[in-house]
Amino acid sequence: QMQLQESGSGLVKPSQTLSLTCGVSGGSIMTGGYSWTWIRQPPGKGLEWVGCLYLSGTTHYNPSLESRVAISLDRSKNHFSLRLNSVTAADTAVYFCARSYYDNLTGGGRYFDLWGRGTPVTVSS
Amino acid sequence: EIVMTQSPATLSVSPGESATLSCRASQSVGSNLAWYQQEPGQAPRLLLHAASARVAGVPARFRGSGSGTEFTLTINSLQSEDFALYYCQQYNDWPRTFGQGTKVEVK
Repeated sequence: QMQLQESGSGLVKPSQTLSLTCGVSGGSIMTGGYSWTWIRQPPGKGLEWVGCLYLSGTTHYNPSLESRVAISLDRSKNHFSLRLNSVTAADTAVYFCARSYYDNLTGGGRYFDLWGRGTPVTVSS
Repeated sequence: EIVMTQSPATLSVSPGESATLSCRASQSVGSNLAWYQQEPGQAPRLLLHAASARVAGVPARFRGSGSGTEFTLTINSLQSEDFALYYCQQYNDWPRTFGQGTKVEVK
């Protein structure tokens, strides 16, 4: 049974770079049909999709973050990572990593079928 | 960006009764719509995809319907573990977007 676990710095200073890693256990990150996603949730608020990475290397990012965000994958370590630079207090949130799976019923996009527990990140000096 | 609007924000329901949650998309998303349940302090859990397809292990009392821009999640005979926050999410277009959530609370 595949599991995801986020790790990284829980406290980041304003203007610095937020770096998080999502470790994949119980299976290979290179398993066909999957793509890898970051989603965040500010305190007391709803969910915001950050971006995703396909195994082909293609990435999609939320336009509101696109100039500051990068998602990458390390197959040797079986994990994927999020980098968000020039952070402000508005980036304070719980960050979730998730697996995206192609919807064979609709032939459309991908839903998030497996989530990590989330890791809180606070941006503060 | 496709805006997802959920209503109501809060739904007060007695255990054993039914709850109907609505989700509206600002433009058609076909059937590329998922529902998630989130309990306090936990990650969201996928309940349904393709608007109405239950994920393995999700009880049959959870029923999804709709297509295009109007979607509904019905929870029949609410159990104690069903009182939680529910989000809809479209995966038809970029960026992926979520509704703001509906909290189902005990009446």
